[in-house]
Amino acid sequence: DTGVSQNPRHKITKRGQNVTFRCDPISEHNRLYWYRQTLGQGPEFLTYFQNEAQLEKSRLLSDRFSAERPKGSFSTLEIQRTEQGDSAMYLCASSPSWAGANEQYFGPGTRLTVT
Amino acid sequence: AQTVTQSQPEMSVQEAETVTLSCTYDTSESDYYLFWYKQPPSRQMILVIRQEAYKQQNATENRFSVNFQKAAKSFSLKISDSQLGDAAMYFCAFSGATNKLIFGTGTLLAVQP
Repeated sequence: DTGVSQNPRHKITKRGQNVTFRCDPISEHNRLYWYRQTLGQGPEFLTYFQNEAQLEKSRLLSDRFSAERPKGSFSTLEIQRTEQGDSAMYLCASSPSWAGANEQYFGPGTRLTVT
Repeated sequence: AQTVTQSQPEMSVQEAETVTLSCTYDTSESDYYLFWYKQPPSRQMILVIRQEAYKQQNATENRFSVNFQKAAKSFSLKISDSQLGDAAMYFCAFSGATNKLIFGTGTLLAVQP
Protein backbone atom coordinates (compact mmCIF):
# COMPACT_ATOMS: atom_id res chain seq x y z
CA ASP A 1 0.00 0.00 0.00
CA THR A 2 1.71 3.14 -1.21
CA GLY A 3 -0.91 5.72 -0.23
CA VAL A 4 -2.47 8.37 -2.46
CA SER A 5 -0.08 9.80 -5.02
CA GLN A 6 -0.38 12.97 -7.08
CA ASN A 7 1.58 14.22 -10.06
CA PRO A 8 3.08 16.64 -10.70
CA ARG A 9 3.89 17.99 -7.24
CA HIS A 10 4.45 21.49 -8.59
CA LYS A 11 3.25 23.19 -11.73
CA ILE A 12 4.04 26.69 -12.93
CA THR A 13 2.08 27.87 -15.94
CA LYS A 14 1.29 31.06 -17.75
CA ARG A 15 -2.17 32.52 -17.66
CA GLY A 16 -4.34 31.11 -20.41
CA GLN A 17 -2.59 27.74 -20.62
CA ASN A 18 -4.26 24.40 -19.87
CA VAL A 19 -2.98 22.14 -17.10
CA THR A 20 -3.80 18.58 -16.08
CA PHE A 21 -3.15 16.89 -12.75
CA ARG A 22 -3.25 13.20 -11.94
CA CYS A 23 -4.27 11.37 -8.78
CA ASP A 24 -3.75 7.68 -8.02
CA PRO A 25 -5.84 6.60 -5.02
CA ILE A 26 -5.19 3.80 -2.56
CA SER A 27 -5.86 0.67 -4.60
CA GLU A 28 -8.86 -0.72 -2.72
CA HIS A 29 -10.59 2.65 -2.35
CA ASN A 30 -13.43 3.30 -4.77
CA ARG A 31 -14.21 6.87 -3.69
CA LEU A 32 -12.00 9.68 -4.91
CA TYR A 33 -12.23 13.37 -4.03
CA TRP A 34 -10.66 16.60 -5.27
CA TYR A 35 -10.21 19.63 -3.02
CA ARG A 36 -8.58 23.04 -3.48
CA GLN A 37 -6.64 24.75 -0.71
CA THR A 38 -5.49 28.36 -0.79
CA LEU A 39 -2.91 29.78 1.59
CA GLY A 40 -4.07 29.93 5.18
CA GLN A 41 -7.42 28.25 4.46
CA GLY A 42 -8.88 24.81 4.88
CA PRO A 43 -9.44 22.66 1.81
CA GLU A 44 -12.62 23.28 -0.18
CA PHE A 45 -14.47 20.45 -1.88
CA LEU A 46 -14.45 20.42 -5.69
CA THR A 47 -15.83 17.06 -6.82
CA TYR A 48 -16.02 13.38 -6.02
CA PHE A 49 -16.26 10.02 -7.76
CA GLN A 50 -17.53 6.65 -6.75
CA ASN A 51 -15.83 4.26 -9.10
CA GLU A 52 -16.05 6.00 -12.51
CA ALA A 53 -19.22 7.97 -11.73
CA GLN A 54 -18.86 11.65 -10.83
CA LEU A 55 -21.48 12.03 -8.10
CA GLU A 56 -21.11 15.63 -7.02
CA LYS A 57 -19.55 18.83 -8.28
CA SER A 58 -19.11 22.01 -6.28
CA ARG A 59 -20.24 25.37 -7.61
CA LEU A 60 -16.53 26.26 -7.26
CA LEU A 61 -15.91 24.01 -10.26
CA SER A 62 -16.41 26.42 -13.13
CA ASP A 63 -16.80 25.37 -16.76
CA ARG A 64 -13.03 25.63 -17.13
CA PHE A 65 -12.56 22.71 -14.74
CA SER A 66 -13.20 19.11 -15.66
CA ALA A 67 -12.44 15.90 -13.82
CA GLU A 68 -12.49 12.32 -15.01
CA ARG A 69 -11.99 8.87 -13.59
CA PRO A 70 -12.37 6.73 -16.71
CA LYS A 71 -11.77 3.26 -15.32
CA GLY A 72 -12.55 3.85 -11.69
CA SER A 73 -8.88 3.91 -10.77
CA PHE A 74 -6.78 7.07 -11.29
CA SER A 75 -8.37 10.46 -11.86
CA THR A 76 -7.38 13.59 -13.75
CA LEU A 77 -8.31 17.21 -13.08
CA GLU A 78 -7.94 19.60 -16.00
CA ILE A 79 -8.07 23.37 -15.82
CA GLN A 80 -8.49 25.15 -19.14
CA ARG A 81 -7.47 28.76 -19.79
CA THR A 82 -5.89 29.13 -16.36
CA GLU A 83 -6.31 32.37 -14.42
CA GLN A 84 -4.20 33.78 -11.61
CA GLY A 85 -7.03 33.00 -9.19
CA ASP A 86 -6.54 29.31 -9.93
CA SER A 87 -3.22 29.38 -8.06
CA ALA A 88 -3.68 27.00 -5.15
CA MET A 89 -2.84 23.56 -3.82
CA TYR A 90 -5.01 20.87 -5.42
CA LEU A 91 -5.52 17.93 -3.10
CA CYS A 92 -6.78 14.48 -3.91
CA ALA A 93 -8.17 12.05 -1.33
CA SER A 94 -9.59 8.56 -1.39
CA SER A 95 -11.75 6.46 0.87
CA PRO A 96 -13.40 3.04 0.90
CA SER A 97 -17.15 2.96 0.57
CA TRP A 98 -18.18 0.35 3.11
CA ALA A 99 -20.46 1.49 5.92
CA GLY A 100 -18.76 3.33 8.74
CA ALA A 101 -15.66 4.18 6.73
CA ASN A 102 -15.94 7.88 5.99
CA GLU A 103 -12.34 8.86 6.63
CA GLN A 104 -10.45 10.19 3.64
CA TYR A 105 -6.72 9.78 3.02
CA PHE A 106 -4.98 12.61 1.28
CA GLY A 107 -2.19 12.77 -1.23
CA PRO A 108 0.67 15.30 -1.07
CA GLY A 109 -1.12 17.71 -3.42
CA THR A 110 -0.19 19.55 -6.61
CA ARG A 111 0.80 23.17 -6.09
CA LEU A 112 -0.27 25.28 -9.07
CA THR A 113 1.18 28.71 -9.70
CA VAL A 114 -0.30 30.75 -12.54
CA THR A 115 1.90 33.65 -13.64
CA ALA B 1 -25.70 23.99 4.90
CA GLN B 2 -23.09 22.61 7.21
CA THR B 3 -20.40 24.86 8.64
CA VAL B 4 -17.32 24.23 10.73
CA THR B 5 -15.79 26.96 12.90
CA GLN B 6 -12.37 27.00 14.50
CA SER B 7 -12.11 30.17 16.57
CA GLN B 8 -8.42 29.84 17.52
CA PRO B 9 -6.21 30.84 14.56
CA GLU B 10 -3.06 30.11 16.57
CA MET B 11 -2.19 28.24 19.76
CA SER B 12 1.04 27.59 21.59
CA VAL B 13 1.99 24.87 24.07
CA GLN B 14 5.11 23.92 25.98
CA GLU B 15 6.65 20.57 25.21
CA ALA B 16 5.17 17.82 27.47
CA GLU B 17 2.15 19.97 28.34
CA THR B 18 -1.47 19.53 27.28
CA VAL B 19 -3.35 21.69 24.81
CA THR B 20 -6.96 21.75 23.66
CA LEU B 21 -8.07 22.94 20.22
CA SER B 22 -11.68 24.03 19.79
CA CYS B 23 -14.15 23.32 17.03
CA THR B 24 -17.85 23.93 16.64
CA TYR B 25 -20.08 22.90 13.78
CA ASP B 26 -23.59 23.38 12.55
CA THR B 27 -25.75 20.76 10.86
CA SER B 28 -29.31 19.52 10.74
CA GLU B 29 -28.19 15.95 10.06
CA SER B 30 -28.30 13.37 12.82
CA ASP B 31 -25.84 10.86 11.34
CA TYR B 32 -22.38 12.23 10.57
CA TYR B 33 -18.67 11.96 11.26
CA LEU B 34 -16.20 14.45 12.66
CA PHE B 35 -12.47 14.43 12.09
CA TRP B 36 -9.29 16.17 13.10
CA TYR B 37 -6.60 16.35 10.45
CA LYS B 38 -3.00 17.51 10.91
CA GLN B 39 -1.08 19.32 8.17
CA PRO B 40 2.61 19.88 8.95
CA PRO B 41 4.37 22.68 7.04
CA SER B 42 4.72 21.74 3.36
CA ARG B 43 3.60 18.21 4.08
CA GLN B 44 0.45 16.29 3.41
CA MET B 45 -2.75 16.12 5.44
CA ILE B 46 -2.80 13.32 7.99
CA LEU B 47 -5.88 11.93 9.72
CA VAL B 48 -5.47 12.27 13.50
CA ILE B 49 -8.76 11.03 14.90
CA ARG B 50 -12.39 10.48 13.96
CA GLN B 51 -15.68 10.41 15.84
CA GLU B 52 -18.98 8.90 14.77
CA ALA B 53 -21.92 11.06 15.88
CA TYR B 54 -23.95 8.06 17.06
CA LYS B 55 -21.23 7.05 19.52
CA GLN B 56 -21.42 8.68 22.93
CA GLN B 57 -17.93 7.55 23.89
CA ASN B 58 -15.19 10.03 23.02
CA ALA B 59 -12.58 8.74 20.59
CA THR B 60 -8.94 8.41 21.67
CA GLU B 61 -5.77 7.68 19.72
CA ASN B 62 -2.69 7.47 21.93
CA ARG B 63 -1.97 11.06 23.06
CA PHE B 64 -4.93 12.48 21.12
CA SER B 65 -8.47 12.51 22.42
CA VAL B 66 -11.65 14.39 21.67
CA ASN B 67 -14.44 15.92 23.73
CA PHE B 68 -17.56 15.44 21.62
CA GLN B 69 -20.62 17.33 22.85
CA LYS B 70 -23.36 16.53 20.34
CA ALA B 71 -26.05 18.77 21.79
CA ALA B 72 -23.66 21.73 21.89
CA LYS B 73 -22.23 20.79 18.44
CA SER B 74 -18.75 20.99 19.84
CA PHE B 75 -15.78 18.79 19.00
CA SER B 76 -12.48 19.71 20.67
CA LEU B 77 -9.13 17.96 20.35
CA LYS B 78 -6.87 17.41 23.33
CA ILE B 79 -3.19 16.69 22.78
CA SER B 80 -1.44 15.34 25.85
CA ASP B 81 2.32 15.27 26.44
CA SER B 82 2.88 17.59 23.47
CA GLN B 83 5.91 16.86 21.31
CA LEU B 84 7.85 19.05 18.89
CA GLY B 85 6.51 16.93 16.04
CA ASP B 86 2.96 17.95 16.93
CA ALA B 87 3.61 21.43 15.54
CA ALA B 88 1.32 21.80 12.54
CA MET B 89 -1.93 23.26 11.25
CA TYR B 90 -4.88 21.33 12.65
CA PHE B 91 -8.16 21.19 10.77
CA CYS B 92 -11.51 20.12 12.12
CA ALA B 93 -13.76 18.54 9.47
CA PHE B 94 -17.38 17.36 9.12
CA SER B 95 -18.72 14.64 6.85
CA GLY B 96 -22.40 13.89 6.48
CA ALA B 97 -24.73 12.31 3.97
CA THR B 98 -22.83 13.68 0.97
CA ASN B 99 -19.52 12.14 2.12
CA LYS B 100 -17.49 15.24 1.23
CA LEU B 101 -15.42 16.86 3.98
CA ILE B 102 -16.22 20.38 5.14
CA PHE B 103 -13.22 21.93 6.85
CA GLY B 104 -12.73 24.72 9.32
CA THR B 105 -10.12 27.41 8.78
CA GLY B 106 -7.55 25.66 10.91
CA THR B 107 -5.55 26.28 14.08
CA LEU B 108 -1.79 26.68 13.83
CA LEU B 109 -0.19 24.92 16.79
CA ALA B 110 3.30 25.87 17.90
CA VAL B 111 5.18 23.66 20.37
CA GLN B 112 7.80 25.43 22.48
CA PRO B 113 10.82 23.43 23.66
